[in-house]
Amino acid sequence: EPEVTQTPSHQVTQMGQEVILRCVPISNHLYFYWYRQILGQKVEFLVSFYNNEISEKSEIFDDQFSVERPDGSNFTLKIRSTKLEDSAMYFCASGSGEYLNTEAFFGQGTRLTVV
Amino acid sequence: SQKIEQNSEALNIQEGKTATLTCNYTNYSPAYLQWYRQDPGRGPVFLLLIRENEKEKRKERLKVTFDTTLKQSLFHITASQPADSATYLCALSGRDDKIIFGKGTRLHILP
Repeated sequence: EPEVTQTPSHQVTQMGQEVILRCVPISNHLYFYWYRQILGQKVEFLVSFYNNEISEKSEIFDDQFSVERPDGSNFTLKIRSTKLEDSAMYFCASGSGEYLNTEAFFGQGTRLTVV
Repeated sequence: SQKIEQNSEALNIQEGKTATLTCNYTNYSPAYLQWYRQDPGRGPVFLLLIRENEKEKRKERLKVTFDTTLKQSLFHITASQPADSATYLCALSGRDDKIIFGKGTRLHILP
């Protein structure tokens, strides 16, 4: 069964450093998302990406964040200068778009720890 | 702002009984309401979707109802099993390109 894959599974970085989280969405999907989940809290929307551009972003997704689809398969989230409060599980998701924003398939996440 | 409330942080149900989880929302008119399952340390897994013009949807032991007047959805698991123990997330989506999640209800099925 097709799945969304994320790498690395765990990333430890020093405050102020840049990190890139990588995702390979399901191949025929059209919609791509990044979410984060701080420990014990809800899954929070960061950004959605469709037709090679950002279609929606939340207040969390400020100038420190960027997304890219550098080739036909990868989808990346970059955090330019990490802060302690960026520590969270980051989930990539993709959707077929058959029903617009529905049935998102999530990866297993990257646990980001900023020290 | 949009708000999704899921009742009870944790719900304990005896094996074999029906588990009923509630999702209420405010300040939103979703086109779709979805339910996901999340196990510890894992990503959410899609379970069911119901559209704004549908009242009920079933899939195997799962049933979802959607009342747009009450702004509420009920999620039922019949003949519950210990393997059903997880956190269940309610999620809303509309005509913008995002899905918004509630905090979830932790369900424990007791053997």
